Amino acid sequence: DAGITQSPRHKVTETGTPVTLRCHQTENHRYMYWYRQDPGHGLRLIHYSYGVKDTDKGEVSDGYSVSRSKTEDFLLTLESATSSQTSVYFCAIGETANTGELFFGEGSRLTVL
Amino acid sequence: GENVEQHPSTLSVQEGDSAVIKCTYSDSASNYFPWYKQELGKGPQLIIDIRSNVGEKKDQRIAVTLNKTAKHFSLHITETQPEDSAVYFCAASIGSGANNLFFGTGTRLTVIP
Repeated sequence: DAGITQSPRHKVTETGTPVTLRCHQTENHRYMYWYRQDPGHGLRLIHYSYGVKDTDKGEVSDGYSVSRSKTEDFLLTLESATSSQTSVYFCAIGETANTGELFFGEGSRLTVL
Repeated sequence: GENVEQHPSTLSVQEGDSAVIKCTYSDSASNYFPWYKQELGKGPQLIIDIRSNVGEKKDQRIAVTLNKTAKHFSLHITETQPEDSAVYFCAASIGSGANNLFFGTGTRLTVIP
């Protein structure tokens, strides 16, 4: 299995609070991604990174920010969590820019009350 | 962006029977079509992929077919086994880069022993 660790794996928080999810990889892959998974929507890309300090928006980026200060770590932040951000969040890594295999973490389940 | 539709949303088959999951895409520029399998509590894992210059690809009991004219592709699993039970996601990518990868809504496959 690819060395991807997501933390926390489960979190319950209240509306309006900040939340940060962490993705840590040991594969030294250049590309990292944050997805959210919701019933009826599959997986949707939130943000991605193509190198240290290089990030860009995905399909559903509103309300989220990311940071990547080291190759191995990619942080997803919800500045002020809302109930619509209740979801399962997956981090993925990829070795190359060309579409190829993505390796996913085991997910972080976030509940915003 | 690309719109990927996936059917059926749930599928039950008897062990040993075949299972077929179908996806359609909207953008004729899409050129990469992976399939991911997600077991309960895990992240998705690539099981097979196909590029637009190929019509069919097989890997043991699984195969994917692509019809570019009709803009649809399918996953075929033969001789199903209980361990095939999972959620399967198709995806389509416009050009290179996983930031252009769009997922279907998933099919929950149950193989009945």
